[in-house]
Amino acid sequence: LAKTTQPISMDSYEGQEVNITCSHNNIATNDYITWYQQFPSQGPRFIIQGYKTKVTNEVASLFIPADRKSSTLSLPRVSLSDTAVYYCLVVQTGANNLFFGTGTRLTVIP
Amino acid sequence: DTGVSQDPRHKITKRGQNVTFRCDPISEHNRLYWYRQTLGQGPEFLTYFQNEAQLEKSRLLSDRFSAERPKGSFSTLEIQRTEQGDSAMYLCAGAVGQGEYGYTFGSGTRLTVV
Repeated sequence: LAKTTQPISMDSYEGQEVNITCSHNNIATNDYITWYQQFPSQGPRFIIQGYKTKVTNEVASLFIPADRKSSTLSLPRVSLSDTAVYYCLVVQTGANNLFFGTGTRLTVIP
Repeated sequence: DTGVSQDPRHKITKRGQNVTFRCDPISEHNRLYWYRQTLGQGPEFLTYFQNEAQLEKSRLLSDRFSAERPKGSFSTLEIQRTEQGDSAMYLCAGAVGQGEYGYTFGSGTRLTVV
């Protein structure tokens, strides 16, 4: 299982774009990358996932370079309500569980 | 509402007592997972059901823990003879297919053992 490394914490001002980068040097060919968001006292919430290049949805964008050894979650124009912990996960296709690290604690400042 | 309900939201129990938590996923969730999360850490996998069959258990799931998913619908997680180290948030998640569309987590049950 590929280990992921992401910053422990980040601060950002409201209205700015936030990019959280995750390293996964040992990602395997059949693995994909997925990101979850977790607010205090709630379960994680699926944000976005991808295999390569760029994926965009109504919440975020995910950029994955050709070598797939890293990925960047991009949150456009963050608001105070985006303050949360963001987890980057590498998932084996057909895996029976998800492995969460400690995530990145994003604090949005007014 | 995430579609996965957990009950109770909070539970305080004395050391040595047994506790049981319930998880109600949506009907489409053929897969059901239990995770445990302690303060400042990410969720840790405990066990996984494919419909009613429990297919995988973590080494974290000691003999005092047992989980069931009768009829492949709701699930229960029981902890016998609770210890202070069992204090944590217990999360349930459901998924369709092989989980390729992501997991839907409930809001969890926070257990405090005093």
